[in-house]
Amino acid sequence: AQSVTQLDSQVPVFEEAPVELRCNYSSSVSVYLFWYVQYPNQGLQLLLKYLSGSTLVKGINGFEAEFNKSQTSFHLRKPSVHISDTAEYFCAVLFGNEKLTFGTGTRLTIIP
Amino acid sequence: DTAVSQTPKYLVTQMGNDKSIKCEQNLGHDTMYWYKQDSKKFLKIMFSYNNKELIINETVPNRFSPKSPDKAHLNLHINSLELGDSAVYFCASSRSRYEQYFGPGTRLTVT
Repeated sequence: AQSVTQLDSQVPVFEEAPVELRCNYSSSVSVYLFWYVQYPNQGLQLLLKYLSGSTLVKGINGFEAEFNKSQTSFHLRKPSVHISDTAEYFCAVLFGNEKLTFGTGTRLTIIP
Repeated sequence: DTAVSQTPKYLVTQMGNDKSIKCEQNLGHDTMYWYKQDSKKFLKIMFSYNNKELIINETVPNRFSPKSPDKAHLNLHINSLELGDSAVYFCASSRSRYEQYFGPGTRLTVT
């Protein structure tokens, strides 16, 4: 079965500390991988995507993610977070049927 | 010059009523979507239209009916509203399947 799992529903991090938000998927077909960010009371904005090529993908706002096919993971990382990074982060996977499936989201809270 | 806009932003209504949410995109995209985000922030696709034709229709009650008068608009009409319909509804559009642009959302509260 095809699924997307974000194990951490909430992640508190001190300002300027590094962060990793985890995403795993299950699929028997090829996948395309995305991370979206939702700031409070706003719509979703694409942070980055992996379609093919280099497994390390860089996105906006200093975020990056690494596709690991053997571990079926696409974890999001940032070396130093800022207060403005407080938001909900969604991992999403496009499976062969062209329907974008979202994980349940991870709320990132930055502690001053 | 908002890319994807939705109206209204907030909608409070009583059970049994019929309501519509409108979505417009000025990006020239061919494909538009409706998503529902529940109280636990879970996002699920409801419908997708490509060039005014329905291409994705998830398991959604018949009370929900999308209408696409042209490529730039995708409206969502909901009949006989129920308490469980309370959610945030997002419209999105895309040129390719690799990047979707989302609207700001419509928070629907059914009392």
